[in-house]
Amino acid sequence: DTGVSQNPRHKITKRGQNVTFRCDPISEHNRLYWYRQTLGQGPEFLTYFQNEAQLEKSRLLSDRFSAERPKGSFSTLEIQRTEQGDSAMYLCASTRTGEETQYFGPGTRLLVL
Amino acid sequence: GQSLEQPSEVTAVEGAIVQINCTYQTSGFYGLSWYQQHDGGAPTFLSYNALDGLEETGRFSSFLSRSDSYGYLLLQELQMKDSASYFCAVRDRRAGTALIFGKGTTLSVSS
Repeated sequence: DTGVSQNPRHKITKRGQNVTFRCDPISEHNRLYWYRQTLGQGPEFLTYFQNEAQLEKSRLLSDRFSAERPKGSFSTLEIQRTEQGDSAMYLCASTRTGEETQYFGPGTRLLVL
Repeated sequence: GQSLEQPSEVTAVEGAIVQINCTYQTSGFYGLSWYQQHDGGAPTFLSYNALDGLEETGRFSSFLSRSDSYGYLLLQELQMKDSASYFCAVRDRRAGTALIFGKGTTLSVSS
């Protein structure tokens, strides 16, 4: 396994459209995180899964955002009715319980026109 | 709430030593991490301090003082490839297992 992968790497959409991103974590990692990063800022936590259970959600995660990890492996992040303010890099990270290092994927860069 | 402060930019020349400071405020501090991110790339883990003191990993070292809510990343024998953004991040018990990142320090290394 070569690391965390994310698809697509880039997404351009029009305001009001729905988008879905996928994250494939490192295979033996039970913890999966989604972060959002805008230019000149550090990553901001969105949500966290342990196996298939979504255990934490940031107040940044409005009701237009939903995330799933149905089988405890890959995860999807969907944004409904996109807004220009959703334009950002969406990062996924994974790790194992008890390990401090989070391994980040390359991110999906979203541009909402 | 939680907040982290670090300088926005640092410049240095090849071969030099640079220190990037980070001060933090959290209600349930658990540990301080450092991540490196090259332009357009993913953040990559550099180091983690849960206890006071210095952790050394090759050319990079990280220090933590819990009583001062302060840490730093020390980069020695700088190389051009070290030009990147460096983020300190804390784990806060109230925020669960997620990392809370600072805004990052952009390091520019020149020849």
